[in-house]
This record gives sequence, C-alpha cells and structure tokens, in this order.
Amino acid sequence: AQRVTQPEKLLSVFKGAPVELKCNYSYSGSPELFWYVQYSRQRLQLLLRHISRESIKGFTADLNKGETSFHLKKPFAQEEDSAMYYCALSGRNAGNMLTFGGGTRLMVKP
Amino acid sequence: GAVVSQHPSRVICKSGTSVKIECRSLDFQATTMFWYRQFPKQSLMLMATSNEGSKATYEQGVEKDKFLINHASLTLSTLTVTSAHPEDSSFYICSARGQRYGYTFGSGTRLTVV
Repeated sequence: AQRVTQPEKLLSVFKGAPVELKCNYSYSGSPELFWYVQYSRQRLQLLLRHISRESIKGFTADLNKGETSFHLKKPFAQEEDSAMYYCALSGRNAGNMLTFGGGTRLMVKP
Repeated sequence: GAVVSQHPSRVICKSGTSVKIECRSLDFQATTMFWYRQFPKQSLMLMATSNEGSKATYEQGVEKDKFLINHASLTLSTLTVTSAHPEDSSFYICSARGQRYGYTFGSGTRLTVV
C-alpha cells in the first residue's frame, strides 16, 4: 500500500528564515511525488512535481529514494508562503490515484 | 492552464435528502476524475476514482450506494450523496486528471446536513 507521511502538522518560522517541510513515503515501485499548496480560502494547487525538477516560488524538492523522502525546501521564507502544504504520491500500482499526506501548515511570521 | 469547476461551493440540506455535486473540466478532457473528502484539520481522503464511461472504483469503507458517482462525459463527473445524514457533513473536493496538466483540483463543496 502506498502511504505519505508529513510528520509536522504546524511549522512556524520567521520571515527570511530557511524552511523545510518534511515528507516521507512508502511505495513499492517508482512513484511520482508532488507538493500541493492551499492558500487561505483558495483551492488546492500544484506547487511542484519531482519529475520536472523545477523551482517554483523559490521552493525545491528532491526525491531521495534511499530515504524515501521528498522534503520541500526554501532558503528564505516569505510571509506570503503561509499556507497548507500537502505532499502527495501517485503510482501505477494504484491506478495513478493521488495519496495525500496529512498536510503541514506553514506560518511565516514577520 | 487547466481549470476544474466544482459546483455548488456550499450546500445545506435536510437529513434524508440527496445532494448532487458537479465537477467539470473546463478546458481539457479528463479521462479520470477523483472525489475526495476532507474532514476539519485533516488531509484529503480519496473516496472514489471515476473513469469516463465506466463504473467508479470506490475506496474501502466508502458506500457506493450512498455516494453515487456518474462520469458521463470527458468533462463532467457528478457525486450524489443520497439520503444524507449529519455525519455526511464534510468538505468534498474533486480532481480531474488530463493528459497534459496532470491533476487539477476543484474549489471544493462544503456540505452541511441538518
């Protein structure tokens, strides 16, 4: 069974501080990993996916197959980064459906 | 980019009645749509996967006779909560998967059963 774990429900940092939102997964095979973000009163939207290896809004995430992790990082947090962040996994083994982690609320204080 | 429209955004209904939620992909064809349920302060839980023209696949513990899913076209899937009870009150979110854009989410429907 596929599973996504985000150990932190809440992460609070000051503006300008580095941010790392943790995500670990379990999956037998080659998964596709995503980070989704949900700003206040807005819909869930894709932040980035591991296969594109891109940086969006200063965020990056590297898939570490050895540690089965896909942590989201940003060197300097901004107040507008405050939101709910969900790590998600998709794989052929389960019909390509998305499995979400529990989510981490990021609060960036001024 | 891809847009998924979900309607209504908010609905209040009486116990025992049925409620239909629509999910439309506006500018792409969605071969697969997903329905999620989100309880307060919890993550999204997949309820079912619907493929156009075929029966939906329900996750374990989800009553298919209670949560009727119809994916009649490549741009529309509906979720009908039948004989709603207060415990069905929740936030329901649909997601559509297209070839080009991957997964795109609707804005969600808050259902309150009184």
